[in-house]
Amino acid sequence: DTAVSQTPKYLVTQMGNDKSIKCEQNLGHDTMYWYKQDSKKFLKIMFSYNNKELIINETVPNRFSPKSPDKAHLNLHINSLELGDSAVYFCASSQLAKETQYFGPGTRLLVL
Amino acid sequence: KNEVEQSPQNLTAQEGEFITINCSYSVGISALHWLQQHPGGGIVSLFMLSSGKKKHGRLIATINIQEKHSSLHITASHPRDSAVYICAVRSRGNEKLTFGTGTRLTIIP
Repeated sequence: DTAVSQTPKYLVTQMGNDKSIKCEQNLGHDTMYWYKQDSKKFLKIMFSYNNKELIINETVPNRFSPKSPDKAHLNLHINSLELGDSAVYFCASSQLAKETQYFGPGTRLLVL
Repeated sequence: KNEVEQSPQNLTAQEGEFITINCSYSVGISALHWLQQHPGGGIVSLFMLSSGKKKHGRLIATINIQEKHSSLHITASHPRDSAVYICAVRSRGNEKLTFGTGTRLTIIP
């Protein structure tokens, strides 16, 4: 009964491929997030959804497209993967945008 | 210059020592978070504060809104406290979290 889960945990793929990372939370939270942690361990927000609606969209290439089929899920689809996309991607959720965030375990993406 | 600066970047201390990690920020905020990232990569939220001081076990977090500064203290440090501690501020208005670069803490037995 993990609160925020992500699949897969590891993803190794070739440049140019399309891949998806899934995130699910069973906390009943309204807001979900995607963060990218680069090789220097610096975290940066990518997207935020509230009740399936996009509320934060940082300067992220449009090869990245979040999809929220319901408020418990926020998936991240990445087209035409590039070497620079290699990072750890964290999903998180909170009850409201102003509340404490709960993080998933992260998905380590390596693009070869 | 990052909007959120942490110091020190790395800190090594002996078990039992009192630890202080600092965070300074340059934007207007609605709240500040302290997070812990374990060596395995998992991230846990430790504190969220917008004024004053909070305590949880051996951890204490303080914030001075006027000086735009926060500190995280660990009393009676233990090797299991070894982790990266990350400060993040929530911007007033858009509620977006901006992260510091983290402080890597190593506690030696």
